[in-house]
Amino acid sequence: IAGITQAPTSQILAAGRRMTLRCTQDMRHNAMYWYRQDLGLGLRLIHYSNTAGTTGKGEVPDGYSVSRANTDDFPLTLASAVPSQTSVYFCASSDGLAGQETQYFGPGTRLLVL
Amino acid sequence: GQNIDQPTEMTATEGAIVQINCTYQTSGFNGLFWYQQHAGEAPTFLSYNVLDGLEEKGRFSSFLSRSKGYSYLLLKELQMKDSASYLCAVMDSNYQLIWGAGTKLIIKP
Repeated sequence: IAGITQAPTSQILAAGRRMTLRCTQDMRHNAMYWYRQDLGLGLRLIHYSNTAGTTGKGEVPDGYSVSRANTDDFPLTLASAVPSQTSVYFCASSDGLAGQETQYFGPGTRLLVL
Repeated sequence: GQNIDQPTEMTATEGAIVQINCTYQTSGFNGLFWYQQHAGEAPTFLSYNVLDGLEEKGRFSSFLSRSKGYSYLLLKELQMKDSASYLCAVMDSNYQLIWGAGTKLIIKP
């Protein structure tokens, strides 16, 4: 693994189903983030984690949950998917230290909720 | 509220120079980032400005004026591969990134 990986690459999901998007990084970064990107809008932060064992809510957290059991993994769960959650989801990580805030992104997961 | 403004789309000619502007209003300021995003791909880091002035990195330069809430990304000697969206993002007082919607740059031969 080099950098950040996400799985699946894409998914079609029926409304009401539960789905977990996976994210793994091998850079030993402290901080990790989940964003969604929709046409015409900037990236919007869903949840973040400044370090293993802690998580926080971003701008659009409703309908999503996260966990950070270790440094490398930061899964995002949609408990009961709705069509408005159709989007491209990006996971990112950073050192989280002052002066080292640059975020590096995974390749994204394209999710269609029908 | 917090706001990042940048033009939706720009067109330029191969070999030319283009300047992409970004204005911002945020609660606090801990730096401004520019990212490049090719269609269907992830954003990739281009530059970071935290002090006023110009940062040059090869064909790309980024300028910041904190008093004016303004930045620009300057791309020189444009190549076809520079066709992409360019995202401006500001780190606010909570060290969270606030993102603009991006500027789609179209390069014509």
